[in-house]
Amino acid sequence: QVKLVESGGGVVQPGRSLRLSCAASGFTFSSYAMDWVRQAPGKGLEWVAVISYDGNNRWIAESVKGRFTISRDNSKNTLYLQMNSLKVDDTAVYYCARVADANPGSSPSDYWGQGTLVAVSS
Amino acid sequence: QSVLTQPPSVSAASGQKVTISCSGSSSNTGKNYVSWYQQLPGAAPKLLIYDNNKRPSGIPDRFSGSKSGTSATLGITGLQTGDEADYYCGTWDSSLSGGYVFGTGTRVTVL
Repeated sequence: QVKLVESGGGVVQPGRSLRLSCAASGFTFSSYAMDWVRQAPGKGLEWVAVISYDGNNRWIAESVKGRFTISRDNSKNTLYLQMNSLKVDDTAVYYCARVADANPGSSPSDYWGQGTLVAVSS
Repeated sequence: QSVLTQPPSVSAASGQKVTISCSGSSSNTGKNYVSWYQQLPGAAPKLLIYDNNKRPSGIPDRFSGSKSGTSATLGITGLQTGDEADYYCGTWDSSLSGGYVFGTGTRVTVL
């Protein structure tokens, strides 16, 4: 069965960096686009970034552009989110999700991990 | 910042029906397929409806979706206490920057 397990979250000071990982199993990772979605405490879902099956195409939300980078290693079945210059407003649970297609677009996120909490605080 | 607008909350008695609207624009809901996600308390989101009106395997037919113009609607019939959750619409935005967008979210309460 499809399994997505996020890791790398924690408490970090404003301005510091953090890298999240998402280990995928139960499907052919290299055939699917993948994305990151976050949810601040008590708030709604906010899409963060998406990467195509081969890593050649990426889209990133304006709210994190220039600070966050999405990448993947298909040889390790792992998705990453490099977060730099973190702000208090980046505090959220970060979910990785599989996109139901090789390339981003209208296709939904059909499987989700359980999320990892990132808390940015001084 | 959500660009898709949903009502904050809807409620109905057990066994009744609720509908949730999702209003967007020509660059997102008006142009691309809409999906719906259910988020039970303390859980990760789960795909409920995709391509406007299709249900993934295992989703009961009490859940339905439709789209007209720039608005989409999720319907839940035979409401159960287990349906109490937050519901989000989502779709791709084909504007210059692109990217996926979610609705503001709707809390469903079973009275």
